[in-house]
Amino acid sequence: DARVTQTPRHKVTEMGQEVTMRCQPILGHNTVFWYRQTMMQGLELLAYFRNRAPLDDSGMPKDRFSAEMPDATLATLKIQPSEPRDSAVYFCASGSTLGRGVYEQYFGPGTRLTVT
Amino acid sequence: AQSVTQLDSQVPVFEEAPVELRCNYSSSVSVYLFWYVQYPNQGLQLLLKYLSGSTLVESINGFEAEFNKSQTSFHLRKPSVHISDTAEYFCAVRRGYSTLTFGKGTMLLVSP
Repeated sequence: DARVTQTPRHKVTEMGQEVTMRCQPILGHNTVFWYRQTMMQGLELLAYFRNRAPLDDSGMPKDRFSAEMPDATLATLKIQPSEPRDSAVYFCASGSTLGRGVYEQYFGPGTRLTVT
Repeated sequence: AQSVTQLDSQVPVFEEAPVELRCNYSSSVSVYLFWYVQYPNQGLQLLLKYLSGSTLVESINGFEAEFNKSQTSFHLRKPSVHISDTAEYFCAVRRGYSTLTFGKGTMLLVSP
């Protein structure tokens, strides 16, 4: 059955290292979202794309985070350099616009990032 | 701007008891409301949604939510919970064209 996939599922890295997280949206979905989940802040929207174009990345720390969609089947979220405060679960979600926006977002299983 | 308040961070209940998870929203535009469920170590799954029409919406596993415009609420209810309903539940309101604003979540803990 169709689902959003994310890799890696877990990542432990040292402060200062580059981290790349990948997401494969559901085939046919034209909108991709990146979220970060922490105990303190809950779920935060970092960025989202429609038809591979970034529409809003205002939730993302610009100095170290970057998000791209090199093609319709791959979205990436990169942190360089990583810091301990970036430790969180990062979710990718995808959806399809139906003339009046996305009505349902399908979430991937998440990447649990630990920065030591 | 849209926002969502989930009044309870944790709700403990016994199996087969009824439960209500509260959600209040603020929005200055047409409202689209959602409940998502997150089981341990998993992503969020859509439980039910209100877009228009009947104010009472139901999920396939016995949950229901009622959109109450005058009270700006979208509370989630289930008449009899199971152990397997233990999870975190998130209320969300659509913001703009596609994005969602989530509440902080309510952890439902069902014990025997």
